[in-house]
Amino acid sequence: GAGVSQTPSNKVTEKGKYVELRCDPISGHTALYWYRQSLGQGPEFLIYFQGTGAADDSGLPNDRFFAVRPEGSVSTLKIQRTERGDSAVYLCASSSSGGSGNTIYFGEGSWLTVV
Amino acid sequence: QKEVEQNSGPLSVPEGAIASLNCTYSDRGSQSFFWYRQYSGKSPELIMFIYSNGDKEDGRFTAQLNKASQYVSLLIRDSQPSDSATYLCAVNVVGGNTPLVFGKGTRLSVIA
Repeated sequence: GAGVSQTPSNKVTEKGKYVELRCDPISGHTALYWYRQSLGQGPEFLIYFQGTGAADDSGLPNDRFFAVRPEGSVSTLKIQRTERGDSAVYLCASSSSGGSGNTIYFGEGSWLTVV
Repeated sequence: QKEVEQNSGPLSVPEGAIASLNCTYSDRGSQSFFWYRQYSGKSPELIMFIYSNGDKEDGRFTAQLNKASQYVSLLIRDSQPSDSATYLCAVNVVGGNTPLVFGKGTRLSVIA
């Protein structure tokens, strides 16, 4: 597609429930990133994929968070047993492997509210 | 700990003035530097990037990098009310496609 696409744009869920957030990167971009942004803060890195594999998952806060990218394009961020502190905007971004290199382009984000 | 520091603001400037946004980073090995603009309720959008010491100009925007001082800045000339947004500084430490580390952002308000 023309840009990074994320769904859902908004999600309200109850504490303890399971949530999946989807990201469709820019066509041809091999690198995909998940960030989380809370109010008044900059984006906080969660996980980075190069192709199908997670090249760096050091930003995942705990084992309730997991992400996959099985075919090297679409990625899903999965959050188990959601907590109110998980409420944030979850931003997906992608970049190509050459040219301007690591210039990353963001999607519009998935706004998650845990009540 | 890789850190990117920005003054949270708000920075208020009159319309037509030069806005100066500053950023410092802790990792001396940082290789590339980015400025993103984020309007309220929207996702960050890239303004410009800089890799080498010195100035880089793009329209009304100038990025300045001083690796010795671990300092990067963004100047916005002829500021417009539409420039009012949060400006995020981001740093890539290792290079390639590795993740960017973001500062908390500086909120800019351009007063008409």
